[in-house]
Amino acid sequence: KAGVTQTPRYLIKTRGQQVTLSCSPISGHRSVSWYQQTPGQGLQFLFEYFSETQRNKGNFPGRFSGRQFSNSRSEMNVSTLELGDSALYLCASSVSSYNEQFFGPGTRLTVL
Amino acid sequence: GQQLNQSPQSMFIQEGEDVSMNCTSSSIFNTWLWYKQDPGEGPVLLIALYKAGELTSNGRLTAQFGITRKDSFLNISASIPSDVGIYFCAGQGEDSNYQLIWGAGTKLIIKP
Repeated sequence: KAGVTQTPRYLIKTRGQQVTLSCSPISGHRSVSWYQQTPGQGLQFLFEYFSETQRNKGNFPGRFSGRQFSNSRSEMNVSTLELGDSALYLCASSVSSYNEQFFGPGTRLTVL
Repeated sequence: GQQLNQSPQSMFIQEGEDVSMNCTSSSIFNTWLWYKQDPGEGPVLLIALYKAGELTSNGRLTAQFGITRKDSFLNISASIPSDVGIYFCAGQGEDSNYQLIWGAGTKLIIKP
């Protein structure tokens, strides 16, 4: 069974631009969670989607948004990028919200 | 809100030594998960625990779900160089709306 895939793996943007990251969960998994990880920091929860509905949301500004499609694939969008948005963005999928999460390799976003 | 305290923050060990780390929560948890993250990659699930008192092994790794349901321990026996990385605990509480709560991580470093 293929694991969680994230595209792109690396991205360089400039301040003020917007970016869209993509996540394809493990087949059969309906829950997708997004996390931000900055150097030396733990995982900061962004949001979780289950069956196309946002179920949980972390404490991030409205510039961070996401969505989930009917095939469980998910995208997250960051508008008006700031230097502090430079981070590793991780996506994790699980069968449902109360199951073990499996992570993708992440997208490394650099904002210049 | 629910919090997880993971300790130690970092550990310097000699190859061959046993390692122990733990997580404590401010409230009762129903699930404890332990992950390992290598640099630039997503966390990989090591062990999942679902019952108070449960003791589970995965090779040289052993984790336990504390009897009080507010703590968990991870032990690594006879450490080897590839054990280097960051170990995260995560858990789900009774009132977390299925959201995983994450510890800040324990960085394992092998002394040269």
